[in-house]
Order: sequence, then structure tokens, then C-alpha cells
Amino acid sequence: DIQMTQSPSSLSASVGDRVTITCRASQGISSWLAWYQQKPEKAPKSLIYAASTLHSGVPSRFSANGSGTDFTLTISSLQPEDFATYYCQQYNNYPLTFGPGTKVDIK
Amino acid sequence: QVQLVESGGGVVQPGRSLRLSCAASGFTFRNHAMYWVRQAPGKGLEWVAVISSDGSKKYYADSVTGRLTISRDNSKNTLYLQINSLRADDTAVYHCAKGGGGVISSVDYWGQGTLVTVSS
Repeated sequence: DIQMTQSPSSLSASVGDRVTITCRASQGISSWLAWYQQKPEKAPKSLIYAASTLHSGVPSRFSANGSGTDFTLTISSLQPEDFATYYCQQYNNYPLTFGPGTKVDIK
Repeated sequence: QVQLVESGGGVVQPGRSLRLSCAASGFTFRNHAMYWVRQAPGKGLEWVAVISSDGSKKYYADSVTGRLTISRDNSKNTLYLQINSLRADDTAVYHCAKGGGGVISSVDYWGQGTLVTVSS
């Protein structure tokens, strides 16, 4: 199985900050990586697929890149509604696996 | 707009069975793979199962193989998850999710989830 790790596990930031989250796969997954955002008691929301493609309606302050084993999600200017937990997920092969999540909270 | 509405959760005794349903609307259900993803209280997301658009292919997480069965009825736009021999570690919110397309894909839409609590 492909193991996904994320760093940091949590971070505190202020509105307007630039934030970067890293995701690493235990083996190469090409660009078969997605990012999801989840707020407390809510369903996850899909942000990114194919490592760098934004889903429709996702603000342009979100960007992502990477391929192979190393990936990043960047929020260029953190907004109040961005405080949430972010998960990466590989879909290169089954079983699909998620990273443990990165919680972004208010400093 | 895409809507995924899960039902069937509740409090169940260990060893019993449960069937979850997910009613889909707002897209051509028969054209998309569908997923179940669960989240134990205070924990991260765990992929559970996937079924191909025509129902011919099914894959499961190792942790649930043999106890869970995913199925679909394309005439009713409904996805199902049968869980047998429920255990305490099956306690979670179960989300139905729509695949974005392709043989294997990420999720593009999520349901709100239905809570399954396994307790005596």
C-alpha cells in the first residue's frame, strides 16, 4: 500500500499569511494526487485533482504542484474561511490512501 | 447541482449488520464510479470501498474486506454499503462520494455523511 504523509500536522497562521502544506507518497504516484479541505462537522470539499488542477469554484489563492512523491498545497493569502483541515490523497492505485491531515488554525 | 444524501446510520450492537444508502442526483449516476469514505470520531479520512460505474468492479480497503459489500442500483440512482459483523472500530461517519471520472479517480463531490455508532 502507498503511505501518505503530510507536514506539518498543524500550523497557526494569520489572515493574509502565505501557507504551504507538504504531502509525500511512499512511492511514485505520477500526478495522481488530490487535496481536500474539511471544516469541523462538515463534509470534505474537493479542492485539487491531478496534483495541480483546481476544481470549479475553488478560489485562485489555492495552488498546488508536484509529481512523483513530493507535493505541495499553497494558500497565497489566508482568508478566514480557509481555517480548516487539509488532506492529500493518492489515487494512483488501490487501496486509495489519504494523508493524516494538516490542521490550519488561527494564530 | 450534485447532491449525495446518505441514510441508514444509527446505533447498532456489535456483531449486527447495517445497510447504508446514498441517493444521488444532479448528475448522470450511471456514468461515474462511486466511493464510500469513513471518518472515525476525531480521526482522519479513510477510504473504504469503490464501485465502477456499471457495478462490475469493486475494490475494498484491507481493513474491511470480507465484511463490507458495496453495490449500486443505476435505475434508482442509489449507492449502498452493507456492513456485516459490526465492530466498535466501524464507528464513524460514512460519506458517499462521487468519482471525477476515469477508471480510477479522485472524489469531486461528497455527501454530508451518516453516523454509524457500534455500541452495546
